[in-house]
Amino acid sequence: DIQMTQSPSTLSASVGDRVTITCRASQSISGSLAWYQQKPGKAPKLLIYKASNLQTGVPSRFSGSGSETEFTLTISSLQPDDFATYHCQQYHTYSMYTFGQGTKLDIK
Amino acid sequence: QVQLQESGPGLVKPSETLFLTCTVSGASISDYFWSWIRQAPGKGLEWIGYMYYTGVTNYNPSLRSRITISIDTSKHQFSLRLNSVTAADTAVYFCASFPLQGDRGVFHIWGQGTMVTVSS
Repeated sequence: DIQMTQSPSTLSASVGDRVTITCRASQSISGSLAWYQQKPGKAPKLLIYKASNLQTGVPSRFSGSGSETEFTLTISSLQPDDFATYHCQQYHTYSMYTFGQGTKLDIK
Repeated sequence: QVQLQESGPGLVKPSETLFLTCTVSGASISDYFWSWIRQAPGKGLEWIGYMYYTGVTNYNPSLRSRITISIDTSKHQFSLRLNSVTAADTAVYFCASFPLQGDRGVFHIWGQGTMVTVSS
């Protein structure tokens, strides 16, 4: 199985900050990576797919980059609504989709 | 727009079978793969498996021996059956889907989730 590891597990930041979350795959997944945002008690929401494609309706302050085994999610200027948990997910192998353990972004 | 809604018991006894249903609205069953994903308390997301209406299925190897996903096209529903549950199966269970056309495995649509506790 492909293991996905996110860092950091928790991130404290302030409104207006630029933040970056990293996701590493245990083997190459090409660009088959998605990012989701999850708020407490809610379902995850798709933000980015194919490593860098912004889902329709997602603010442009979110961006994704990377390929093969290392990927990043960047929020260029944090807004109050962005404090949430972020999950990466690989979909390179049809037989087994795996998620990272999540990164909780909270207010400093 | 496409909406998913999970239903099922919130409490299941150890060793019994968990059965959840997801009702689909706003979409044709044939246009998507239908999936289940769970999240244990305080943990990350775990993909359980998916099914396409033709009968194609794919299950998480760690759960394969205990799970069955099925689709009832006439009711616009798909279901999860998980046998021999233990406390480790306590989680929020989400139904989710990804389109037939496009990036397979990217979960565009999610249900709100339903909490299932395994306890006697």
